[in-house]
Amino acid sequence: AQRVTQPEKLLSVFKGAPVELKCNYSYSGSPELFWYVQYSRQRLQLLLRHISRESIKGFTADLNKGETSFHLKKPFAQEEDSAMYYCALDRSSGGYNKLIFGAGTRLAVHP
Amino acid sequence: EAQVTQNPRYLITVTGKKLTVTCSQNMNHEYMSWYRQDPGLGLRQIYYSMNVEVTDKGDVPEGYKVSRKEKRNFPLILESPSPNQTSLYFCASSGGKVEWGANVLTFGAGSRLTVL
Repeated sequence: AQRVTQPEKLLSVFKGAPVELKCNYSYSGSPELFWYVQYSRQRLQLLLRHISRESIKGFTADLNKGETSFHLKKPFAQEEDSAMYYCALDRSSGGYNKLIFGAGTRLAVHP
Repeated sequence: EAQVTQNPRYLITVTGKKLTVTCSQNMNHEYMSWYRQDPGLGLRQIYYSMNVEVTDKGDVPEGYKVSRKEKRNFPLILESPSPNQTSLYFCASSGGKVEWGANVLTFGAGSRLTVL
């Protein structure tokens, strides 16, 4: 079955600590993976996608097909990183969006 | 400003009373979609539309209807709402997958619906 799993509902860290938000997926095709973020009182928005291989706001995510994972990492957390993070998998295989989302992880960064 | 607009943002209704949540986008996007967000379940796709008059079921379509008569609008219709449809609903749109990056979703602000 196609599935996105985010095992942690809440991740609580102190400012300056490293952060790793876990995401595992189950998909038989060639996956396209995303991280979306929702800051307090803001809309859900794209943070990064694996095909871009870019770093956004200090966050990176590497697709590991062997482990079927797409963990989101940041070496030094900031208080403004506190938000809800969703991992998403696009199942469309060349068509339009057929995104499935994980349950989300709330990141709380304490001063 | 390029955006997706949903209305109403908040609604309390009673079982069986038909309601419509409107969604409009001003980016000339072909693709539009509805999601519901429930605690512990993340976002689940209800219906999506790849273009005018083209709609298809997502993962949780039961109890919902949609229509896409114009490119900019994609209303979500609950013909006979029930309490299990109490949720936070998001509309989203994208330019599709014509090229890499065109499938990135732009989300609305969300509509919180309570069915008593």
